[in-house]
Amino acid sequence: DQQVKQNSPSLSVQEGRISILNCDYTNSMFDYFLWYKKYPAEGPTFLISISSIKDKNEDGRFTVFLNKSAKHLSLHIVPSQPGDSAVYFCAASDPDSWGKLQFGAGTQVVVTP
Amino acid sequence: NAGVTQTPKFQVLKTGQSMTLQCAQDMNHNSMYWYRQDPGMGLRLIYYSASEGTTDKGEVPNGYNVSRLNKREFSLRLESAAPSQTSVYFCASSYLQETQYFGPGTRLLVL
Repeated sequence: DQQVKQNSPSLSVQEGRISILNCDYTNSMFDYFLWYKKYPAEGPTFLISISSIKDKNEDGRFTVFLNKSAKHLSLHIVPSQPGDSAVYFCAASDPDSWGKLQFGAGTQVVVTP
Repeated sequence: NAGVTQTPKFQVLKTGQSMTLQCAQDMNHNSMYWYRQDPGMGLRLIYYSASEGTTDKGEVPNGYNVSRLNKREFSLRLESAAPSQTSVYFCASSYLQETQYFGPGTRLLVL
């Protein structure tokens, strides 16, 4: 039973525009959320995270929004660049499952010129 | 500072063969993890080691064993490989229950 869901397997966006990636979760005990970026033939790299005590966290072009009541988080990339073309994974953890991350299936982002 | 390294990068096995995937980190992290990634699915935790000397099962441990050799190294062993274990395997490490940092992966094909 997948507790973290990324319902859009792919997203195509023009360079310079905003990319919005969505993630839904079912476990209300999740209190820490992360986004990872993955290029082909490489391991995932950490992008940005947010604790459940916040509803927004920014790091440069990347902003993550958390809506706890809806059990939904999103990643905004503004402006999108060709180097952002990658697979993005949403992940979550809860305090009772020590360090164990639950991952979504990923969203493939393609940024076109 | 190499981060998390994994060997081999790619391996082909026949059903029933055994092999060990190696992982090492040079970030002085306490915790280490093994994941597998299959098409259309996210990463799933196989085993983890919260600290040197401890190991615990994750979501999909069947068919695997692990050894936390020391603080730096965490190996994953397939005793009798099956086609269902064809996957990409990632090792990760973290200081405590914090952000995990991943290695480049091992692609395993079991025929």
